[in-house]
Amino acid sequence: DAGVTQSPTHLIKTRGQQVTLRCSPKSGHDTVSWYQQALGQGPQFIFQYYEEEERQRGNFPDRFSGHQFPNYSSELNVNALLLGDSALYLCASSSGNYSPLHFGNGTRLTVT
Amino acid sequence: AQRVTQPEKLLSVFKGAPVELKCNYSYSGSPELFWYVQYSRQRLQLLLRHISRESIKGFTADLNKGETSFHLKKPFAQEEDSAMYYCALRESEYGNKLVFGAGTILRVKS
Repeated sequence: DAGVTQSPTHLIKTRGQQVTLRCSPKSGHDTVSWYQQALGQGPQFIFQYYEEEERQRGNFPDRFSGHQFPNYSSELNVNALLLGDSALYLCASSSGNYSPLHFGNGTRLTVT
Repeated sequence: AQRVTQPEKLLSVFKGAPVELKCNYSYSGSPELFWYVQYSRQRLQLLLRHISRESIKGFTADLNKGETSFHLKKPFAQEEDSAMYYCALRESEYGNKLVFGAGTILRVKS
């Protein structure tokens, strides 16, 4: 079992560009959450997807959007990148609500 | 707003010494508390959750609602315990939204 897999591992983008990050959940999991982890801080909740719909959202602007596919994999899209979007983006999967989260290794996004 | 505070950025102890990683939270409802650990070059993983009342790798944590704390303890530290530890709170009415503290680096010296 590969666990939660994320791609790419690293990414460098320029201000104003758009980026798409991808996540495949752990086998048997149907719920995907995304977190942003800035340097020196704990992860911050962006949103959660279940049954292909956004179910919960943290305090992030509309520039952050996502999608979940029928196979439960998910994408995180960020438009109009800002320097402050530079962070580690973590994907976590679970089996429905309230079960423990399993995290991926993350995608390191650098905005220049 | 819900908040999780880990007052120490770094905790350095000698092997065999007791360890206590502090975590305080602010939440008006009945929270669910977790400790996550990240070893060097590994992914974030669940260490323990308060509802399980387990001891994992010798670590325990008790939820103290009066003091709004969920401190992580181990009586005898081992070198392999060196890692980053995050305390997290799940709001009971939400699903997978966890609020994390800033983390504490535990360094166990030989």
